[in-house]
This record gives sequence, structure tokens and C-alpha cells, in this order.
Amino acid sequence: EAGVAQSPRYKIIEKRQSVAFWCNPISGHATLYWYQQILGQGPKLLIQFQNNGVVDDSQLPKDRFSAERLKGVDSTLKIQPAKLEDSAVYLCASSSRLAPNEQFFGPGTRLTVL
Amino acid sequence: QKEVEQDPGPLSVPEGAIVSLNCTYSNSAFQYFMWYRQYSRKGPELLMYTYSSGNKEDGRFTAQVDKSSKYISLFIRDSQPSDSATYLCAMLSTGLVFGQGTRLTINP
Repeated sequence: EAGVAQSPRYKIIEKRQSVAFWCNPISGHATLYWYQQILGQGPKLLIQFQNNGVVDDSQLPKDRFSAERLKGVDSTLKIQPAKLEDSAVYLCASSSRLAPNEQFFGPGTRLTVL
Repeated sequence: QKEVEQDPGPLSVPEGAIVSLNCTYSNSAFQYFMWYRQYSRKGPELLMYTYSSGNKEDGRFTAQVDKSSKYISLFIRDSQPSDSATYLCAMLSTGLVFGQGTRLTINP
């Protein structure tokens, strides 16, 4: 069974530029999550989708971050404009609807904002 | 106060030692308690989870939850160099609420 796929793996941009990350969850997983992991910290939930609907985006900085999951499968996370403090690893995870405690993570996208 | 507190370490032990990793939490509504392992430049990997209080064993790993004390532990027996990683505790809310992670090194 293929795992969670993410791209790109690495991205370097300058502040005020925009960037987008892509995630393809495990086949059949209805729930998709985006987490932000700053160096030396645990991941922090940004947004949770159930199929193509948003369940929780309370910690998403909506003035600059946006995310979508239009067809209930792939998802994109966008930052516009980026700030220095957005430098982090952005992790995508997925789970089945009945087992939200068993989340499977992708390798992450490492973002550096200069 | 953070919802989940975890000592970041680093923790360094000799091969074969028993390792004890711990977290405390403040939200009594948490019911699912997870331990993830994260190797450098990789995503977190689920090791095991426990529902409510009690113990759960999987090979060399044992997870314990004491809801009365809001305290969870992960024990690793017969530790191996390949166990060297960052260990993250997590609890289920809407998504997962993670501790800071403990960096563990097992020395051959």
C-alpha cells in the first residue's frame, strides 16, 4: 500500500513570495490533515479535512495560509505572502474516518524563507 | 501552559538499556494516546496507541497511561542503535496534539 505522498520535498523562497505544497493521501482515507513542524518542536495542526469539507482550521493563519481539497482526494496548502517565521516542515497526514487516532504521515516539505 | 508537556532531552543511553519516555497533559478529555517515532528528515511514524488508561505492549515497546495523574509513558526494552530517533507523544483532539518530542540516542 502506497503511503502519503508530498511534493516538493524542499523549497527555498524569499519573504513575501508565495509557495504551494501538494499532498496525496493513502487511498481510501477520507480524512486529511496538514501540520506545521518548526525545528525542535512537535507538529501543530493547521487544518483538517473530512472528504472535501473543512473540519477544523482554527489554527490556520487565514490572512496568509489557504488550503483546499476540491475532489476529496489530493490537497494543496498555500502560503501567500510568506514570512520568515513560516520556515518549517509542512507535514500531510491521512486517516480513515473510523480511526482518526491512526494517522499516517508523509515525508513532509521543508520550507526555508529567506 | 501547553496542553502536552514532554522533556526534549536529549537522552543518551547505552545499547541494551531500558528507556523511559514520558509526557504530561492538561486536558482530561483526551481518550487516545499515541507514540510516534520520527527519524531525521522523515515524517512521524505511529508506534502504538492506547485508549483510556492501562498498559499496552508491542514487542520491546510498552505504553502506559495513567489518566488520574494525566501522565503517559513509553518504555523501550533492550534498546538498539536503530531506536535512535525523536519520540513524540500525541493525544487525539480534532487532530493530534503533540508534545515537543524527546531526542533519544542509543550508543553501541
